[in-house]
Amino acid sequence: EAGVAQSPRYKIIEKRQSVAFWCNPISGHATLYWYQQILGQGPKLLIQFQNNGVVDDSQLPKDRFSAERLKGVDSTLKIQPAKLEDSAVYLCASSLDRSGAGYEQYFGPGTRLTVT
Amino acid sequence: KQEVTQIPAALSVPEGENLVLNCSFTDSAIYNLQWFRQDPGKGLTSLLLIQSSQREQTSGRLNASLDKSSGRSTLYIAASQPGDSATYLCAVTSGGGADGLTFGKGTHLIIQP
Repeated sequence: EAGVAQSPRYKIIEKRQSVAFWCNPISGHATLYWYQQILGQGPKLLIQFQNNGVVDDSQLPKDRFSAERLKGVDSTLKIQPAKLEDSAVYLCASSLDRSGAGYEQYFGPGTRLTVT
Repeated sequence: KQEVTQIPAALSVPEGENLVLNCSFTDSAIYNLQWFRQDPGKGLTSLLLIQSSQREQTSGRLNASLDKSSGRSTLYIAASQPGDSATYLCAVTSGGGADGLTFGKGTHLIIQP
């Protein structure tokens, strides 16, 4: 079974530029998550999708971050304009459904963003 | 607001030892708890998921326990090997709609050959 795919793996941009990350979840997984992991910290949830809809985006800095999940499969996360403090690893995860063991989340390899 | 703490922050032990990693959370109203390992420059690998109705889960040399009432979980690693060297992260979800995980900062584990 293929895992969660993310691209690009690395990205270096200057502050005030824009950047987009792509995620393809495990086939059949209804729930998709984006997390931000700053060096030395645990990941922090940015946004959760259930199929096409947003379930939780309370920690998403909406003035600069946006995310969408078209057709309930792939998702993109965008930052515009980027700030130095956005330097982090952006992780995408997916889970099968929202009951019992279906809650188990599987993570992709992440995109390491460096803002200079 | 849920907070997750992991102790110790770092641990170095000789190969072959049994060890315990600790995780505590402030709000006992969790839906499940998940343990992950993270290798340098890599994503997270799920190790064990414990649902709130369960007390423990086992996978190979790993055993995770959950005590919801006291807000604690432990990850027991038996007969440690150098390949177990990684950062171990504990995370909880409260369910009830928003299912995002709240993570601790992790325990950086080094197994000396």
